[in-house]
Amino acid sequence: QKEVEQDPGPLSVPEGAIVSLNCTYSNSAFQYFMWYRQYSRKGPELLMYTYSSGNKEDGRFTAQVDKSSKYISLFIRDSQPSDSATYLCAMSVGNQGGKLIFGQGTELSVKP
Amino acid sequence: GAVVSQHPSRVICKSGTSVKIECRSLDFQATTMFWYRQFPKQSLMLMATSNEGSKATYEQGVEKDKFLINHASLTLSTLTVTSAHPEDSSFYICSASPAGKTIGNTIYFGEGSWLTVV
Repeated sequence: QKEVEQDPGPLSVPEGAIVSLNCTYSNSAFQYFMWYRQYSRKGPELLMYTYSSGNKEDGRFTAQVDKSSKYISLFIRDSQPSDSATYLCAMSVGNQGGKLIFGQGTELSVKP
Repeated sequence: GAVVSQHPSRVICKSGTSVKIECRSLDFQATTMFWYRQFPKQSLMLMATSNEGSKATYEQGVEKDKFLINHASLTLSTLTVTSAHPEDSSFYICSASPAGKTIGNTIYFGEGSWLTVV
């Protein structure tokens, strides 16, 4: 079993739709939870960062962490064609903060 | 904002040769850098932790004699793929954080280096 599981998709939605992306994990020691966006053949770009459980909102993006269920989500409201990319969840243990464990990534396509 | 630069962005080398990839933190000092590998349609897999002034720490299954890491200064780490084979063809990405800050929003990724071994 992988430490972090993420549905690879691909996921195709119409413009304006609400997108829900999810990851589950097995290591209860994870404390930091990130969502990255990656365009083809580029380095990942940090979208959202959450410490421990809870919700965090930034513009059209909302990240949720449920440590009791070992489940994290990223919601994208009013999705745009420019949101088309691969979205990766990533996690780390507190004392190894720079050492990230990534999910497989979900390929998202937003159709005009 | 903080920037991490990788060079080269793309490289093609012949099988059996060695190739070096550089990772530089441009406006901060990084005592630790991380090297990841990403195969097409797959996730980033941590290869090793690069420690300034000391030996790198390799993840299980990563050959330290094949993937040589040198972190000679606080702003530069290099990854050398020795005796490259076609199966080493992949996207290599580094990350770095300012010294003393290695949590989520202070981890900066390079743009990646695409290696093709022919």
